[in-house]
Amino acid sequence: QQQVKQSPQSLIVQKGGISIINCAYENTAFDYFPWYQQFPGKGPALLIAIRPDVSEKKEGRFTISFNKSAKQFSLHIMDSQPGDSATYFCAASLNLDMRFGAGTRLTVKP
Amino acid sequence: DARVTQTPRHKVTEMGQEVTMRCQPILGHNTVFWYRQTMMQGLELLAYFRNRAPLDDSGMPKDRFSAEMPDATLATLKIQPSEPRDSAVYFCASGLVGGTFYTFGSGTRLTVV
Repeated sequence: QQQVKQSPQSLIVQKGGISIINCAYENTAFDYFPWYQQFPGKGPALLIAIRPDVSEKKEGRFTISFNKSAKQFSLHIMDSQPGDSATYFCAASLNLDMRFGAGTRLTVKP
Repeated sequence: DARVTQTPRHKVTEMGQEVTMRCQPILGHNTVFWYRQTMMQGLELLAYFRNRAPLDDSGMPKDRFSAEMPDATLATLKIQPSEPRDSAVYFCASGLVGGTFYTFGSGTRLTVV
């Protein structure tokens, strides 16, 4: 049973544009929502994360928006750069029991 | 810079052979995960351990896969016999109970021919 649904599967954005990736979860007990970034040949690495008691978290060009009532959260990448090209995974976690979305392959064209 | 170390990075083996993948979690981390990544299935959780005890291995094909933690510094994932459908990248990750996220290793790319 897929507990975290992620869309789109792939995304192509022009340099300088905004990349938006969406996720929805089912279990309201989840208390931590990280985003992982994965480059080819590497393991996923934590990018940014949010707890459900806040609606937004921003770190540099990366922002998580969180809608607890809708059980949805999204990653926004402002001023997207070719170096942001990677696969992005959202996840939902409770006590390190983490469920991942299927991933979004982002390509930023120069 | 603490990291999760996985060996080997790449493994090519013939169908039917035994494969063993190793993982050294970050020192002090007491929770270890094994994931498999394929294009079709994404990241699949195979098993995880807490304080070296297996907590959940429901994602693992029991007839051919086994996972162990002989000590706190080593986790192993074994496939016997291996099949072409096992070709994937296998990731180990470790975390600390009470923490919020875990750290992935660089993975073992397994190809079974």
